[in-house]
Amino acid sequence: DQQVKQNSPSLSVQEGRISILNCDYTNSMFDYFLWYKKYPAEGPTFLISISSIKDKNEDGRFTVFLNKSAKHLSLHIVPSQPGDSAVYFCAAIPKIGSNYKLTFGKGTLLTVNP
Amino acid sequence: EPEVTQTPSHQVTQMGQEVILRCVPISNHLYFYWYRQILGQKVEFLVSFYNNEISEKSEIFDDQFSVERPDGSNFTLKIRSTKLEDSAMYFCASRGGLLYEQYFGPGTRLTVT
Repeated sequence: DQQVKQNSPSLSVQEGRISILNCDYTNSMFDYFLWYKKYPAEGPTFLISISSIKDKNEDGRFTVFLNKSAKHLSLHIVPSQPGDSAVYFCAAIPKIGSNYKLTFGKGTLLTVNP
Repeated sequence: EPEVTQTPSHQVTQMGQEVILRCVPISNHLYFYWYRQILGQKVEFLVSFYNNEISEKSEIFDDQFSVERPDGSNFTLKIRSTKLEDSAMYFCASRGGLLYEQYFGPGTRLTVT
C-alpha cells in the first residue's frame, strides 16, 4: 500500500547547490502535503507544507511545488547546507474529516557534502 | 519553544510482557497521535485521539493496544502482551486545532526479545 512514494532512497549534493527531493502520490483524496526532516535518533521535524489549492509554498531556503494533475510534489532546498543532511519524508493528509492522519513516504536520505 | 516529549527513550521487554509508552504533548494541542516505524520501513499511523476518545485507528492497532490520557498532560500507549514484531520506534505527535501540522516527539525505541 504505497499511496505516497519517494522513489529515490538517497540523494547527494554539494554544499551551496540546489537539492530537489521528489514525491508522488496515488490517492486523489489527499488534500494537504507536508515535508518532514528526520535526524537519527530524533523524531520527524515539520519543515513546510502545501495545500492542494496552491502550487507553490516558500519558506526561506525551502520551497515546495505541487503538480496536482501529475500527483507529484517536490521540495527544493537552495542553497543546500551540510546541516540539511537528514532523511526527508513526504506526508499527505486526506480531505477534511479524516482526523488528519499522516500517510508517509519511505523517505529520502539527503547528504550535503562540504 | 514547546515540544513533545516521550519517555522512556529506549525500552527493552520480553515477549508477552506489557509495556506503557508515555508522551507529553504540546500543552495547548487538542489532537494526539501515535505512529511507529519498524526498522527500514516507513512511518505508519497507529491511532488518533481527540476529546478523550479514539477518533481513528489503523489495522495495526488491534486489541493488544490501548491509549489513554490519564490526566491533562500525559498521553500513553499500552501494549498488553508484546510480540517480537512490535519492536519499532514509537512516535507520539500532537496537533493544535487550526493547523494541519503535527509535531513529533523524539520517539521510544521498543525492543521485544
